[in-house]
Amino acid sequence: QKEVEQDPGPLSVPEGAIVSLNCTYSNSAFQYFMWYRQYSRKGPELLMYTYSSGNKEDGRFTAQVDKSSKYISLFIRDSQPSDSATYLCAMRAAGNKLTFGGGTRVLVKP
Amino acid sequence: DSGVTQTPKHLITATGQRVTLRCSPRSGDLSVYWYQQSLDQGLQFLIQYYNGEERAKGNILERFSAQQFPDLHSELNLSSLELGDSALYFCASSVSPSETQYFGPGTRLLVL
Repeated sequence: QKEVEQDPGPLSVPEGAIVSLNCTYSNSAFQYFMWYRQYSRKGPELLMYTYSSGNKEDGRFTAQVDKSSKYISLFIRDSQPSDSATYLCAMRAAGNKLTFGGGTRVLVKP
Repeated sequence: DSGVTQTPKHLITATGQRVTLRCSPRSGDLSVYWYQQSLDQGLQFLIQYYNGEERAKGNILERFSAQQFPDLHSELNLSSLELGDSALYFCASSVSPSETQYFGPGTRLLVL
């Protein structure tokens, strides 16, 4: 079983809808949680960075971490066609080895 | 643009050959990381350097090696290439090992 599980999708939503993404993990030592966005054949781009449990909001993006359930989420409000990409969750413990989920492909249809 | 540069963008080579991928970190970043991304394996951590010293190793094959030079750029050497080595290779950098990693645009390697 992988340390970080992420549904590969694809997740197709109409423009303006809320996109809901999530990852589950098994390593209770993970403390730092990130979401990256990756357009086709491009490098991953950091979207959100959170430490421990709680919520963080940045514009249309909200990240949630529930360490008790080993579950993290990313919500994208008012989704746009330009949000169509693969979204990767990543996390690490106190060291610095990042462990990535497999990514969820999102398609926002106009 | 993350500020991390990678060359070349594309590389086509034959099995058994050796290639070198180059990465220049963001200005001020001392840590460099290498990742491999293939369709069936996702993004896999290979190796990390901090200020010229190897810091952590992931799923890096013995045929692969890397180094970080005094000017902080890094090179990933892949030898005795196999078809299965075809993938995207990303470099990332951060100020220190505990800081956020920023990714470069990647090098797409195709082994024929």
